[in-house]
Amino acid sequence: GNSVTQMEGPVTLSEEAFLTINCTYTATGYPSLFWYVQYPGEGLQLLLKATKADDKGSNKGFEATYRKETTSFHLEKGSVQVSDSAVYFCALTNNNAGNMLTFGGGTRLMVKP
Amino acid sequence: DADVTQTPRNRITKTGKRIMLECSQTKGHDRMYWYRQDPGLGLRLIYYSFDVKDINKGEISDGYSVSRQAQAKFSLSLESAIPNQTALYFCATSDLHSNQPQHFGDGTRLSIL
Repeated sequence: GNSVTQMEGPVTLSEEAFLTINCTYTATGYPSLFWYVQYPGEGLQLLLKATKADDKGSNKGFEATYRKETTSFHLEKGSVQVSDSAVYFCALTNNNAGNMLTFGGGTRLMVKP
Repeated sequence: DADVTQTPRNRITKTGKRIMLECSQTKGHDRMYWYRQDPGLGLRLIYYSFDVKDINKGEISDGYSVSRQAQAKFSLSLESAIPNQTALYFCATSDLHSNQPQHFGDGTRLSIL
């Protein structure tokens, strides 16, 4: 079956530091990969996605590249801000599974001024 | 107004009580989902519905039931609540015709004493 593994948090960084949150996956076929962000007290929001190998998703300064050879989709940002403090979820959907998402456990990011 | 609205936002109740969580959407999407979120486990799918006449069990459906009253409404019931159903519950929607990730409500925090 499908599974997503994320690095455990919390990740604590100073403002303007470089961010990497690791995500690896196991899936049959050719999944689409996603990063979601959850701000305190809110639901999940799509941050970025990639639908095939070597695609790079990007949004709001965040990037992630779909690496089929390493089954990874690591999230990066060059300079984090306090407002980036949130929980980040890696997820996948297998095109053969009715568009249902499989989520990782989430990684909490705390950015200090 | 939010695209996906959940009510109530918070609920505290006792073991054995029947509880209904409601979800309504204004996106016109055919597909609706209920997830629960537990610390460190990400989101897990409880039930999903591809249209008004379609109901499917997800990964963790035991102890739950759902009703799709209309395209825009999808409710989740706990017939006899137990403490390990204490969690954050999210409703989500997606477009039937595209492999797009779901849109989420802001969640219902449910505590069962």
